[in-house]
Amino acid sequence: AQTVTQSQPEMSVQEAETVTLSCTYDTSESDYYLFWYKQPPSRQMILVIRQEAYKQQNATENRFSVNFQKAAKSFSLKISDSQLGDAAMYFCAYKGGSEKLVFGKGTKLTVNP
Amino acid sequence: DTGVSQDPRHKITKRGQNVTFRCDPISEHNRLYWYRQTLGQGPEFLTYFQNEAQLEKSRLLSDRFSAERPKGSFSTLEIQRTEQGDSAMYLCASSLGGMGPGANVLTFGAGSRLTVL
Repeated sequence: AQTVTQSQPEMSVQEAETVTLSCTYDTSESDYYLFWYKQPPSRQMILVIRQEAYKQQNATENRFSVNFQKAAKSFSLKISDSQLGDAAMYFCAYKGGSEKLVFGKGTKLTVNP
Repeated sequence: DTGVSQDPRHKITKRGQNVTFRCDPISEHNRLYWYRQTLGQGPEFLTYFQNEAQLEKSRLLSDRFSAERPKGSFSTLEIQRTEQGDSAMYLCASSLGGMGPGANVLTFGAGSRLTVL
């Protein structure tokens, strides 16, 4: 079974600085998708960024970018120029041949002014 | 379309009672998912519909749980004879099928929080 591991339960960053959230996963599949979702306090989960495993180029979305290392099964999220609104739980998720998303336990990001 | 809607947002019930949650997905999305999230954990997959067909169900899902999507639009999740361990946030999500840019991207609702006393 696929597993997703987020080894950092909590992270903090100063406003305008850069932070990297870690994620590793385990799978025997060759074709899959990886996602980062953000869940602000008491608000719904929203997609931050996604990566198709067959694409070697790392995905970017404005201030958010990933470092996808397929051989190492690593998928980290970098947030540049952190803003107060980035404070949230961040979940790494995996989707393979099944329709289900497998989530990690999340990393709580605090942004300090 | 305002996104994925879930009702009720909060439900408090006594152990042994039945509860039902409703999810209205984004209208053009043919795929609908239910997840459960407990405190300090990531969401856990429960079940998946494509149109009205329930195509995948977690092996962890107790027989007390049942989900329907009768006309391929809204869905209900019923929990019978609730137990304290059922206390959690129940999340609904929907997505487009196919191979376009929206495929495989889930849009989540705000969730229905269940407290079983």
